[in-house]
Amino acid sequence: KQEVTQIPAALSVPEGENLVLNCSFTDSAIYNLQWFRQDPGKGLTSLLLIQSSQREQTSGRLNASLDKSSGRSTLYIAASQPGDSATYLCAVRPNNFNKFYFGSGTKLNVKP
Amino acid sequence: DAGVIQSPRHEVTEMGQEVTLRCKPISGHDYLFWYRQTMMRGLELLIYFNNNVPIDDSGMPEDRFSAKMPNASFSTLKIQPSEPRDSAVYFCASSLALQGAVPYNEQFFGPGTRLTVL
Repeated sequence: KQEVTQIPAALSVPEGENLVLNCSFTDSAIYNLQWFRQDPGKGLTSLLLIQSSQREQTSGRLNASLDKSSGRSTLYIAASQPGDSATYLCAVRPNNFNKFYFGSGTKLNVKP
Repeated sequence: DAGVIQSPRHEVTEMGQEVTLRCKPISGHDYLFWYRQTMMRGLELLIYFNNNVPIDDSGMPEDRFSAKMPNASFSTLKIQPSEPRDSAVYFCASSLALQGAVPYNEQFFGPGTRLTVL
């Protein structure tokens, strides 16, 4: 069974800092990987989707990379803002199942 | 598109009562997922459908839980009878397998239903 780990569980940074969130998975036979953000009491908002054939995806200040061989993905946030404060989750879809396995998330706090 | 729609947004009920959660997926999406989120266990997949057919219900915790998808625009998750340990946020999500001929499968989540069983 695929296991997804996100470290650290929580992160606090000052506004303006560039930061990296990590996601690791145990089985490299993945179909794609998706990054989400979740605000308190809200649903999950899709940020980026990386197909297994891709190495990275970018959207605005966000850049996600994928290294299947090492079982890792990173989400890079440039010039962080207080509005980026949320929990960030990664989810991995294996090759042979159309179901996602989620990490437990990294709770990010960006201080003004 | 309005996105994935769930109702009710909040439900408070007493132990033993039947609870029905509803979901309308994004129009045209061919996959629908039901998840449960708790502090202790995080986000868990309960069941998913493809073209209205249940594909994998291995995450459904007990026979008290059942899900249906009578058509492409509506799904229900029912708990009967409900218990306090069912208290959680229940999410519905939908996705589209292909965009043209290109694999896609980006999941879009609804706002969730916060269920409290007293």
